[in-house]
Amino acid sequence: KAGVTQTPRYLIKTRGQQVTLSCSPISGHRSVSWYQQTPGQGLQFLFEYFSETQRNKGNFPGRFSGRQFSNSRSEMNVSTLELGDSALYLCASTLRGDTGELFFGEGSRLTVL
Amino acid sequence: AQSVTQPDIHITVSEGASLELRCNYSYGATPYLFWYVQSPGQGLQLLLKYFSGDTLVQGIKGFEAEFKRSQSSFNLRKPSVHWSDAAEYFCAARGGGGNKLTFGTGTQLKVEL
Repeated sequence: KAGVTQTPRYLIKTRGQQVTLSCSPISGHRSVSWYQQTPGQGLQFLFEYFSETQRNKGNFPGRFSGRQFSNSRSEMNVSTLELGDSALYLCASTLRGDTGELFFGEGSRLTVL
Repeated sequence: AQSVTQPDIHITVSEGASLELRCNYSYGATPYLFWYVQSPGQGLQLLLKYFSGDTLVQGIKGFEAEFKRSQSSFNLRKPSVHWSDAAEYFCAARGGGGNKLTFGTGTQLKVEL
């Protein structure tokens, strides 16, 4: 059974650009969450989608957005990139309701120059 | 505010020695609790979880954790550490709706041969 797949794995952008990251959850998983991981702030929750609806959002500016498609695949977008957006962005999916038992992908490493 | 604290940033143990990683939580009610492990360049892997019931939970790779309500703690233990256990360990809690997790800052484990 394939795990959570994130693309691209690595990318480099410059300040002011925008970026879109993609996440394919484990087959049958309907909830997808996104986390930002940085050395300074650690793991921070961005948002969660379930059945194409955002049902939780972390404390990030509006430049960070996401969506989920009918096949449960999800994308997140960051507009007007800042240097501080450099991070590992992790996607996770879950099968069994609201247990918090997450299965993570390997992440997308974003570097903003 | 809900929070998860991991007091130890770095821990070094000798291979074959026992291990205990500390985790404390601050929530209004007992949250669901988790331990995740992250190897360099990888996503997070779930080691074990506590929802309710037996306060000693067993996980993968020989890890176990004990929930102590009186101390608001959920410490991770392993009787004999292997060199391959070197990684970063995160304690996490789910205290509200959905699958939003609050993570501790992580403990970096180094194993000396």
